[in-house]
Amino acid sequence: KAGVTQTPRYLIKTRGQQVTLSCSPISGHRSVSWYQQTPGQGLQFLFEYFSETQRNKGNFPGRFSGRQFSNSRSEMNVSTLELGDSALYLCASRMREGNGYTFGSGTRLTVV
Amino acid sequence: AQSVSQHNHHVILSEAASLELGCNYSYGGTVNLFWYVQYPGQHLQLLLKYFSGDPLVKGIKGFEAEFIKSKFSFNLRKPSVQWSDTAEYFCAAFAGNNRKLIWGLGTSLAVNP
Repeated sequence: KAGVTQTPRYLIKTRGQQVTLSCSPISGHRSVSWYQQTPGQGLQFLFEYFSETQRNKGNFPGRFSGRQFSNSRSEMNVSTLELGDSALYLCASRMREGNGYTFGSGTRLTVV
Repeated sequence: AQSVSQHNHHVILSEAASLELGCNYSYGGTVNLFWYVQYPGQHLQLLLKYFSGDPLVKGIKGFEAEFIKSKFSFNLRKPSVQWSDTAEYFCAAFAGNNRKLIWGLGTSLAVNP
């Protein structure tokens, strides 16, 4: 079966712009989580969605938002981009609690 | 606050050497524990997980981990590493009702042929 698909793979934006990242989970997986990965901070949890509802949120400013659609696909939006938002953004899905997460390859965002 | 710490940031081994990567978590209740691996240029992959039962968990590619509740530890082991094990290894934990997966900062493993 297809894995977790994230688009785009690479993105370059300028400060102040906004960006939308997309994640298609594995078919049948209803839970989608987003993480930010940077060399200095490691993996930081952004938020988790289940059945179109945000279940949990990490400690990121309100510029970071997300949503999940009825087909479980999820989008993440970052507004008013800052240089420090440059990172690898990872999406992960799982069928239910008790399962491990399956990760996508990520979207590499560079803010210049 | 719940946290996961990985003791070694960088490990260098020769092929056939034994591996043990440390992972400690800070939570006294029920925990679910994971080890993930990220090979160069690839996405994170689940190596193994512990939810309950036998504290010695076997994963893919010959890896295993032992959950020691009294030490709040979940160390990853492999008896004989290969060059292809060169990767970054992450320990992660769900604790209690917290639905956030808390991650360690990772251990970079380099295996010399």
